[in-house]
Amino acid sequence: DAGVIQSPRHEVTEMGQEVTLRCKPISGHDYLFWYRQTMMRGLELLIYFNNNVPIDDSGMPEDRFSAKMPNASFSTLKIQPSEPRDSAVYFCASRGQGSYSGNTIYFGEGSWLTVV
Amino acid sequence: AQRVTQPEKLLSVFKGAPVELKCNYSYSGSPELFWYVQYSRQRLQLLLRHISRESIKGFTADLNKGETSFHLKKPFAQEEDSAMYYCALTGKSSGDKLTFGTGTRLAVRP
Repeated sequence: DAGVIQSPRHEVTEMGQEVTLRCKPISGHDYLFWYRQTMMRGLELLIYFNNNVPIDDSGMPEDRFSAKMPNASFSTLKIQPSEPRDSAVYFCASRGQGSYSGNTIYFGEGSWLTVV
Repeated sequence: AQRVTQPEKLLSVFKGAPVELKCNYSYSGSPELFWYVQYSRQRLQLLLRHISRESIKGFTADLNKGETSFHLKKPFAQEEDSAMYYCALTGKSSGDKLTFGTGTRLAVRP
């Protein structure tokens, strides 16, 4: 398996524009997580899904952020409108259940977002 | 509420020196603990899990329930060990969430 795949790897956008980040989890994994990483706050869990259903979105900073998982192999994180303070690395991660790997979460390479 | 504390933001050591990255946690019940490593501008990678009781790249970590700690240790640091290290916790009472500490940057000097 190619692992968790994220796109775009890098994005620079202007304040006010819509940003859409994409994620393809590892095949067969039924948990998907979105994390945000900044120097100030470290790694923050934004939202996670189980079997395509959002379970906990308490980490989503505000209404400008939304996430969807229309099927088991695809998820999006959308920011509309974007602001400079949204600049961060956004990681997607996935996890299986009852597998050899247990509760191990596997991360994508991240989407580096800069809002100017 | 569960919490993971990594008290050191930066740990700087010389090559060949012993390393200990501290991690303390608070959790009601039996936690599962992990160490993840992030090399410069790369994804987070699992380094080791406490349930595996394994040694990866010379690193070990022992869960001490009495002290609620899961410190990461290596007897002789190498320059290639320089990276960010994150301690993380999950368990039944946390749902399925993995909670991370704030991370410790390890810098190994030649």
